[in-house]
Amino acid sequence: EADIYQTPRYLVIGTGKKITLECSQTMGHDKMYWYQQDPGMELHLIHYSYGVNSTEKGDLSSESTVSRIRTEHFPLTLESARPSHTSQYLCASSERGSTYNEQFFGPGTRLTVL
Amino acid sequence: KNQVEQSPQSLIILEGKNCTLQCNYTVSPFSNLRWYKQDTGRGPVSLTIMTFSENTKSNGRYTATLDADTKQSSLHITASQLSDSASYICVVSDRGSTLGRLYFGRGTQLTVWP
Repeated sequence: EADIYQTPRYLVIGTGKKITLECSQTMGHDKMYWYQQDPGMELHLIHYSYGVNSTEKGDLSSESTVSRIRTEHFPLTLESARPSHTSQYLCASSERGSTYNEQFFGPGTRLTVL
Repeated sequence: KNQVEQSPQSLIILEGKNCTLQCNYTVSPFSNLRWYKQDTGRGPVSLTIMTFSENTKSNGRYTATLDADTKQSSLHITASQLSDSASYICVVSDRGSTLGRLYFGRGTQLTVWP
């Protein structure tokens, strides 16, 4: 199993609250990603990073923001949570220059906004 | 538009039986195709990765095939076990970007009954 961790695993929160989803990896990977996944649907890339101080938006528009101050840490923040943000959020990482760009996924955070 | 389509959407089989899951894709230019297993409430875990030149790859009781000409792949599970119950996701990577973008199918939800 890959060394990539996400906390919390489950979060139920009220509308308007600010939340931060944590993601850490101990593999020294340069690339990190955030995906959003609704039940029965495909994963959608919402943010990615090539390395420290690099962040880019993905294919799916998201009101969340990310930061990459340290190689191992890639937190995602929602300034004001809304019910439409209810979803599963998956973090992943991959090694720069790897043959297959294989991504290793964390266990996910299931977010419910009431 | 780059897409990945999987069938069936869901499948129920009895323990010990074999099954085959299908994946069709239109992603171009093609880099590689991978099958992931995603247990409920967990992140996806890679089962196999195949490049253009590979027709088949096995990982224990899992055997994946790839026909790059027809852009089809299959995942065959032999002698199913209860622990095989999960969502199986087909993921195709393109080689047209430095990110190595991944295109995800919606998955086949497999349930193995005793």
